[in-house]
Amino acid sequence: KAGVTQTPRYLIKTRGQQVTLSCSPISGHRSVSWYQQTPGQGLQFLFEYFSETQRNKGNFPGRFSGRQFSNSRSEMNVSTLELGDSALYLCASSYAGTGANVLTFGAGSRLTVL
Amino acid sequence: DQQVKQNSPSLSVQEGRISILNCDYTNSMFDYFLWYKKYPAEGPTFLISISSIKDKNEDGRFTVFLNKSAKHLSLHIVPSQPGDSAVYFCAASEGGGTSYGKLTFGQGTILTVHP
Repeated sequence: KAGVTQTPRYLIKTRGQQVTLSCSPISGHRSVSWYQQTPGQGLQFLFEYFSETQRNKGNFPGRFSGRQFSNSRSEMNVSTLELGDSALYLCASSYAGTGANVLTFGAGSRLTVL
Repeated sequence: DQQVKQNSPSLSVQEGRISILNCDYTNSMFDYFLWYKKYPAEGPTFLISISSIKDKNEDGRFTVFLNKSAKHLSLHIVPSQPGDSAVYFCAASEGGGTSYGKLTFGQGTILTVHP
C-alpha cells in the first residue's frame, strides 16, 4: 500500500512569491490534514479537508489556503511568502479524520524563503 | 500558550535499558493521546495511542501510561535498541479521537540509544 506522497520535496522561493504544495493520500483515505513544522513553533495544525470541504482550521493567516479534489488529493497554497514561512510542510491522511483514526504522515515538503 | 509540553529536549540511554519519555498537557479537554517517532528526512510515524478512559496501553516494547489527574503521560520503551534513536513527539486531541485532523504536538524529545 503506497504511503502519503508529497511533492515537491524541496523548493526555494523568494519573498512575495507564492507556492503550491501537493499531497496524495493513502488510497481510501478521505481526510487530509496539513501541518507546518518550524524549529521555534514545532508542529502546528494548518487545516483539514474531507470530501473536498475544509472541516477544521488552525490559527494561520489567510495567506495559507488549501483545497481537496474529488480523488482526495490535496494542495495547499501560500501567497505573498514571508521569510518566516520557511518550514517543513507535512501532509497527513486518515480514513475519516475523526475517532481513533491515526494520521499517517508524508515525508514533507521543505520550503525555504529567501 | 503551549498546551502539550515535552520538557526534556533530549534523552540518552544504553542499549537494552529502559527509555522513559515524558509529556505534560494543560488542556483538560484532551482525551486522546498519541506518540509519534520521526527520523530525519521522513515524516512522523505513529507508535502508540491511548484514550483517556484507560491508564495504560501496551504494544510490544512500547507502553504508554496516562495519569489524568496529573495531566501527564509517558512512553516506556523496553528494551531500548539503537534503531529507536529518533525524535519522539507526544500529541493530543479532543473529541475521543483525531479531532477532524487536528493534533496538538509537543516540541519533541531526541532519544539516542547507545550500543
